[in-house]
Order: sequence, then structure tokens, then C-alpha cells
Amino acid sequence: SQQGEEDPQALSIQEGENATMNCSYKTSINNLQWYRQNSGRGLVHLILIRSNEREKHSGRLRVTLDTSKKSSSLLITASRAADTASYFCATDAFGGGSNYKLTFGKGTLLTVNP
Amino acid sequence: EPEVTQTPSHQVTQMGQEVILRCVPISNHLYFYWYRQILGQKVEFLVSFYNNEISEKSEIFDDQFSVERPDGSNFTLKIRSTKLEDSAMYFCASSKRTEAFFGQGTRLTVV
Repeated sequence: SQQGEEDPQALSIQEGENATMNCSYKTSINNLQWYRQNSGRGLVHLILIRSNEREKHSGRLRVTLDTSKKSSSLLITASRAADTASYFCATDAFGGGSNYKLTFGKGTLLTVNP
Repeated sequence: EPEVTQTPSHQVTQMGQEVILRCVPISNHLYFYWYRQILGQKVEFLVSFYNNEISEKSEIFDDQFSVERPDGSNFTLKIRSTKLEDSAMYFCASSKRTEAFFGQGTRLTVV
């Protein structure tokens, strides 16, 4: 089974519109994080939501977490062309000792057309 | 703002050669990681490092791979004898606890 699967795989919107991306996961988690990756570049940390949180905001980003459905959503409001990137959710599995390994989904490719 | 830095940004190597990828994690972070992303695929966990030892490694991280923290600031990934399938983007990350910050990556091309 795959941990951290995003949908849709690709999303194309017009500048100014909102973009919603979803992430589902299979096993219990401690935290869920969202990252952005511009083509061929590094992973930029966007936001972390803990398993006991339901919603979190950061600027134009809103993240929700529903642990009963094992799903999360990332909403980008008033999108800009510069938001064009791949967006990944990553869940962590707390291992023995002190370890926070992240499992990534395949990502959603967001294209914001000017 | 502190960031994870990786060098080089791009490395081309002959199959069978050894490569060392370098990372400087954020200075007050305690946990260090290597991930890789083969072109068009998911980001995959390779190894985590805490308290000067490997805390977890994936099945990808076989005997050809090793990590070191040779001094107080650097964190390296060595691939002893590179294979064509090692071609990927390699990301270093660090965290205080759960919030992991990634470097810009090293694109490794094995020819």
C-alpha cells in the first residue's frame, strides 16, 4: 500500500483561482507535512499539521487533516503564476528511538496560468 | 534564514566510481537524512542519522552507501561504486524534531 497519495495528479487553473490538492494515507501518523518543488529544484517546506490538529493556516495556505478518513487537503487561495510547482504531502512514522522518517506521495503538479 | 546547503549541485560520474555528496545541515538541528528522487518518481527515504549513528535505513541503502558526519557541520553520503540506476536527485534534510528542511539537492548522473 502507498502512504501519502495525492490527487489530482495534475491541476491546471487560472491565476486568482483557488487550488485544492488532497492527500490520503494508509497508516496512523504523527504529523503530516506539505512541500513544494519547483521543476528540478529542492523541496520547500510549506506547513506541518499534527495529528491532533484539524486545520492550520499560513498566509494563502490552508491545510486540513481528517485522521478518521486518513486524508489531508492543501488549499492555496488567490493563486499566482509563481505557485506553479509540484506539491507533495509527507507523513512521518515514528520509529524506535528518535527517528522521523518521511514517506512522500507522488505529488500534484499544479499549473497556474496567467 | 538558516538553510540546508548541498554541494555539488550537479555531479556526473563514470559507472563504478565513488562519489561523495556533501551537506551542511541547519546548525541547531539534531536529525539528519538523505532522500533521493529518481526522475519523475517519488521522493524516497534512504537513511536517517542521529547522535552520530544511523537510526534507520531503507532497503535502498545497501552496502554501497555510507554516511558520515566527519565534523560538527558536514554530513556526507558516499556511494562506493556507482551504478546507472543511482542516477537521481539526492536531497539532504535536517530537523530539530519533526519539521524537516531540505537542501536544494545534488543531481547525480552516472554514465
